[in-house]
Amino acid sequence: DQQVKQNSPSLSVQEGRISILNCDYTNSMFDYFLWYKKYPAEGPTFLISISSIKDKNEDGRFTVFLNKSAKHLSLHIVPSQPGDSAVYFCAASAEDYKLSFGAGTTVTVRA
Amino acid sequence: DTGVSQDPRHKITKRGQNVTFRCDPISEHNRLYWYRQTLGQGPEFLTYFQNEAQLEKSRLLSDRFSAERPKGSFSTLEIQRTEQGDSAMYLCASSLAGGANIQYFGAGTRLSVL
Repeated sequence: DQQVKQNSPSLSVQEGRISILNCDYTNSMFDYFLWYKKYPAEGPTFLISISSIKDKNEDGRFTVFLNKSAKHLSLHIVPSQPGDSAVYFCAASAEDYKLSFGAGTTVTVRA
Repeated sequence: DTGVSQDPRHKITKRGQNVTFRCDPISEHNRLYWYRQTLGQGPEFLTYFQNEAQLEKSRLLSDRFSAERPKGSFSTLEIQRTEQGDSAMYLCASSLAGGANIQYFGAGTRLSVL
């Protein structure tokens, strides 16, 4: 069963604009949510995380928002840059060990 | 380079052969994880170790799969009698216990079973 879902397989955005990536989850026991970025031929790289007791976390150009009642989180990237073109994975942790991942969203930043 | 390293990066094998992959975690990390990723999907959890103890195994990990982490340092993942369905990217990650469970991944081993 897919506990973490990313329903948009791809996103195209113009350089300088905002990228918004969405993620939905079903397991109310998740206590941490993480976003990873992946370039081809590399492993996923940690980007930003948020605890379930918060609703927003910001790190530079990246902001993650959590809506627990809707079981929804989003990642905002502003402004988008060409180097942001990658696959982005949403992940969640419930028991302090395994991560459950979504299927990923491929972001393409157009010049 | 103090990141997670995996070896080999690519492995091509014939169906029925055994393969073994190695993962060297970040040295101070006490937790080590194995994931499998297939095309178009996110990584799926296989198993994890805290120090040398294997604490959890996914039902995805059939009896043909075995993982070890002797002395709580590097880990190996062995697949016996490989099948075409085993073709995937095998990812290793490591972390410190507690907190946000931020896991750091290696570049993976891509297995192709012919």
